Parts: sequence; structure tokens; C-alpha cells
Amino acid sequence: ETGVTQTPRHLVMGMTNKKSLKCEQHLGHNAMYWYKQSAKKPLELMFVYSLEERVENNSVPSRFSPECPNSSHLFLHLHTLQPEDSALYLCASSQDPQYQITGELFFGEGSRLTVL
Amino acid sequence: QKEVEQDPGPLSVPEGAIVSLNCTYSNSAFQYFMWYRQYSRKGPELLMYTYSSGNKEDGRFTAQVDKSSKYISLFIRDSQPSDSATYLCAMSQYGNKLVFGAGTILRVKS
Repeated sequence: ETGVTQTPRHLVMGMTNKKSLKCEQHLGHNAMYWYKQSAKKPLELMFVYSLEERVENNSVPSRFSPECPNSSHLFLHLHTLQPEDSALYLCASSQDPQYQITGELFFGEGSRLTVL
Repeated sequence: QKEVEQDPGPLSVPEGAIVSLNCTYSNSAFQYFMWYRQYSRKGPELLMYTYSSGNKEDGRFTAQVDKSSKYISLFIRDSQPSDSATYLCAMSQYGNKLVFGAGTILRVKS
């Protein structure tokens, strides 16, 4: 495996379900991110982890719960979601949290979430 | 007013055309400007990066930044069907997160 891998690629869940999205990076990077991508809207930064420590949480509802057990893995735990949470969830990594200086984020292919 | 404005398209051009993709922004403190390309069912990938004003060229791609007008452009010469994708502009100021545009869908017809 190379780059950033995300599983599952597609997920359909009811509003009362609990599920998790998984992300793994094989690049030796120190920072990992969760982004939400909705149709015709800009990418929304949700969470930033640097060396397994959360450094940013952009006012994300508590029904989204991130977990970063080590610098290579990132999870997004989902529970009691709403239909408006349906979107593509992208995981990304960078060498360090100062990614904005070079803009070089490495993205996974995303997990397409549908909430019924 | 959105911080970054980008025409969603779709922009449809014939193969071989010169493509111009643009973004405008409101925050004059932005210093770092990027273009990401996102193919269907894939994640975005960094295409071009520019610091401050000026031009940067990489093969068929040229990125241009005009800070006085708060306007950035991506030009694609001799466009190919393989260039069909969504192009996202992104920008930031030092110490702050990237701000993305909503993306422009480009379709190059053979």
C-alpha cells in the first residue's frame, strides 16, 4: 500500500447507527486531517492531528468523534448522524502541520457516506 | 461574501484548447496559492503551488497570481481529455489553515 488509504470507500447508514471511517498513511508524515466535501461546496476542515495530538477542531458536531492512535492511523467515529451529513469524507496527511506553507496535502480517495 | 470564489462550471472545451480557470478572494493577507486537481472518485492532488505574486510554469500548466486584484488563474495549454477533472484553488496566510474554493469542473472533449 502506498500514499493514503481510506476504508470503507462507500458507507450507507441509518441515523441511529454507529460506524467508523478508517484512514492509514504510508508516507511517514506527522500530521493527519479529516475534511468534509459536499457537492458544490469548498472542502471543510474538520480535525487536525499532529503527532497523535488534536491541534484543531473546527466546531464539528459531537456526533463526529476522531481518534488518532498513532501517527499512521486516523479514525472518524460516527453516531446518530443526520441526512445533511451525507458527503465525501477525505483524509489527508502532510509532513508537518505547517502544510499551509507549501499546500502539500496528500489526500486519500475518500469515503462516500450516505445517511438515510 | 465567501472568502474564495470559484465558478463551478462545468467548463467544456475541445481538445487542444487553452483553458483558463480562475479564483477571486477577499483576504489580502493570503500569501500561498495552490491548485489541486481532483479526478472523479479520487482525492485531490496538488498540481501547482505559488508563493505571493507572479507566474509559475510546469509543462502545459501555468499558475498566475495577481495580489493587487486578488485574483489567481490556472492556464492549461493544449488541453487533453485526461485533463478532465475538478480543479480546486486553495490559499492561505502563514500560520492559518488552507481555504479552498468550491472547484471548477472541466471537461475536455476529444
